[in-house]
Amino acid sequence: DTAVSQTPKYLVTQMGNDKSIKCEQNLGHDTMYWYKQDSKKFLKIMFSYNNKELIINETVPNRFSPKSPDKAHLNLHINSLELGDSAVYFCASSHYPSFFYFGPGTRLLVL
Amino acid sequence: RKEVEQDPGPFNVPEGATVAFNCTYSNSASQSFFWYRQDCRKEPKLLMSVYSSGNEDGRFTAQLNRASQYISLLIRDSKLSDSATYLCVVKGNNNDMRFGAGTRLTVKP
Repeated sequence: DTAVSQTPKYLVTQMGNDKSIKCEQNLGHDTMYWYKQDSKKFLKIMFSYNNKELIINETVPNRFSPKSPDKAHLNLHINSLELGDSAVYFCASSHYPSFFYFGPGTRLLVL
Repeated sequence: RKEVEQDPGPFNVPEGATVAFNCTYSNSASQSFFWYRQDCRKEPKLLMSVYSSGNEDGRFTAQLNRASQYISLLIRDSKLSDSATYLCVVKGNNNDMRFGAGTRLTVKP
């Protein structure tokens, strides 16, 4: 029973390509998030959606576009990938005021 | 100033040692506090919530000082399996979680 799942687990691509990462949660949570963990292991929030509505949009290049088709899904599309986008991207979900559950992460490498 | 600051580490301790991690946060309106644990190449997982009165879970004790905006985690009788990165996490009223940079702990035989 996977609570928060992400696909793909690994993503290797060339600069300039467009790619998407998918996230699904089966916990019935109303809020979902995208976090980026860089090479220094620092976890930084990117976006937050509550009931399909964008709540948090940190200073992220507009090449990154989240989409939430329903409460259980939050996808991340990245246009024109750059070397600096290489990182681990974690999806998470929560139900206020509880803590977060994280997905297993998507390791993105841009060559 | 970072929103959540932690001891940079790394901490290298022998089995059986007691080790303490500290964390400070900048937003006085923060509402909830947690310690997460992250193993190498894995996702962060909740270790314990932190309550104002302090709380204990086995060998782990968490403390919160709202006046000083300070959180701590104490691990007693360290085990090899405690080796991981410990993340201090602060939740704001926007339901977002802000993470510290993490403190790496290595417990050696």
